[in-house]
Amino acid sequence: AQSVTQLDSQVPVFEEAPVELRCNYSSSVSVYLFWYVQYPNQGLQLLLKYLSGSTLVKGINGFEAEFNKSQTSFHLRKPSVHISDTAEYFCAVSDTNTGTASKLTFGTGTRLQVTL
Amino acid sequence: DTGVSQDPRHKITKRGQNVTFRCDPISEHNRLYWYRQTLGQGPEFLTYFQNEAQLEKSRLLSDRFSAERPKGSFSTLEIQRTEQGDSAMYLCASRPWDTQYFGPGTRLTVL
Repeated sequence: AQSVTQLDSQVPVFEEAPVELRCNYSSSVSVYLFWYVQYPNQGLQLLLKYLSGSTLVKGINGFEAEFNKSQTSFHLRKPSVHISDTAEYFCAVSDTNTGTASKLTFGTGTRLQVTL
Repeated sequence: DTGVSQDPRHKITKRGQNVTFRCDPISEHNRLYWYRQTLGQGPEFLTYFQNEAQLEKSRLLSDRFSAERPKGSFSTLEIQRTEQGDSAMYLCASRPWDTQYFGPGTRLTVL
């Protein structure tokens, strides 16, 4: 079984400032890692994913994340945020065995609030 | 690709009524998932289909819930005798290989 911890339920930040949203996971098997963004009353949009290879992955809208296996973390970063980045961000994991359901296990989310 | 679509987007019902939601996955995605998201929480897995076969169900999926994917294309999720605790966003996702793509969700409100 896997679990995901997003310690920060809310992160307030000023526009054009950098931001980091933290994600830690626990799993007894190899995992894929994902960040999704959810705008109000909408579904989830994929920001980026780590499957294998380089531990630094780049996604849409200028976001990037770094996989750290020893710390079991996958923190999301953006060097300069915009008002339009205000949303709920979810970190998720799935196992890598394509023979199983590979369902996603989500964290509880981090609300990023960008203000002027 | 037109993306994953879900219908309806919003449903308000009275306690005890039955409701049915539909999900149309991205074409040729043979894996389909249903999740439930309550306020302030991340989505929780409900069930998984590979083609028309329902291969996994969560403990969250009580016997009042049933899901089908009759021809391996669209899927339906039915909730019988709805309860106020069923109020949530119901999300559908489809997956070709390693990444799940989500629909806009159906928000259910049980009065």
